Amino acid sequence: RKEVEQDPGPFNVPEGATVAFNCTYSNSASQSFFWYRQDCRKEPKLLMSVYSSGNEDGRFTAQLNRASQYISLLIRDSKLSDSATYLCVVVGGGSYIPTFGRGTSLIVHP
Amino acid sequence: GAVVSQHPSRVICKSGTSVKIECRSLDFQATTMFWYRQFPKQSLMLMATSNEGSKATYEQGVEKDKFLINHASLTLSTLTVTSAHPEDSSFYICSASVAGGSHGTGELFFGEGSRLTVL
Repeated sequence: RKEVEQDPGPFNVPEGATVAFNCTYSNSASQSFFWYRQDCRKEPKLLMSVYSSGNEDGRFTAQLNRASQYISLLIRDSKLSDSATYLCVVVGGGSYIPTFGRGTSLIVHP
Repeated sequence: GAVVSQHPSRVICKSGTSVKIECRSLDFQATTMFWYRQFPKQSLMLMATSNEGSKATYEQGVEKDKFLINHASLTLSTLTVTSAHPEDSSFYICSASVAGGSHGTGELFFGEGSRLTVL
C-alpha cells in the first residue's frame, strides 16, 4: 500500500460546481497535512494546511479524519482558474520528510 | 512568504554531459533542502534530502554518484546530473523546509523547477 494515495482523476466539472477530493495516508503517526496546487509544468504551491479541527479559506475547505486516516479538500463554486492538479502532502510519523500523493487532476469547464 | 529560486528553468543537453541545477533560498536560511523529480503525470518523487554542511541522504534507487548534491551553505544547494542520459529527462524541483513556519512543521517552499531534456 502506498503511503499517500489519491484518485488521479481527472475530475471534470462545470463552473459553479462543488467538488471534493480525498487523500488517504497509511502512517497513523503522521502529524502534518497539506494541500498543494500544481499547475501544468509549474512548481507546487501551498493551497492550505489541514488542521484537526478543519479549516476553511474562502471557497476551499480542508478536513482531517484521523480515525479513517484521510484528508479531504472541498471546492465550492468552482472557477475555470481552479483547473490544476491538487497534491496531498503528509509529514511526520517518525520522519520530517514530506510525502506527496500522486495528485488529483481537476478540470473546470464553462 | 519565503522565496526559493531555482536555475536554470530549462536545459537541453547531449547525452553524456553533466548538468548542474542550483537552488537558492533568497530571504531565509534553509537548513534542509529536498530534491524531487517528477515524470509526466506522476507524483513528485523524493530523490534526496540535503542538510547544510553534511552529506545528502539519498532515497532507495537513486544513485548518489550520478546525482551529486552539494549543500555548502544555508542558502544554496546544487544538484548535478552527471553523464546524463535520455532517461534522466524529467522535471527536477528543489524545496526548502522551514521549521516552525506559520503553518507549522513541514511547510515547503519550492523552486520554480528545472526541466531537463537529454537528447
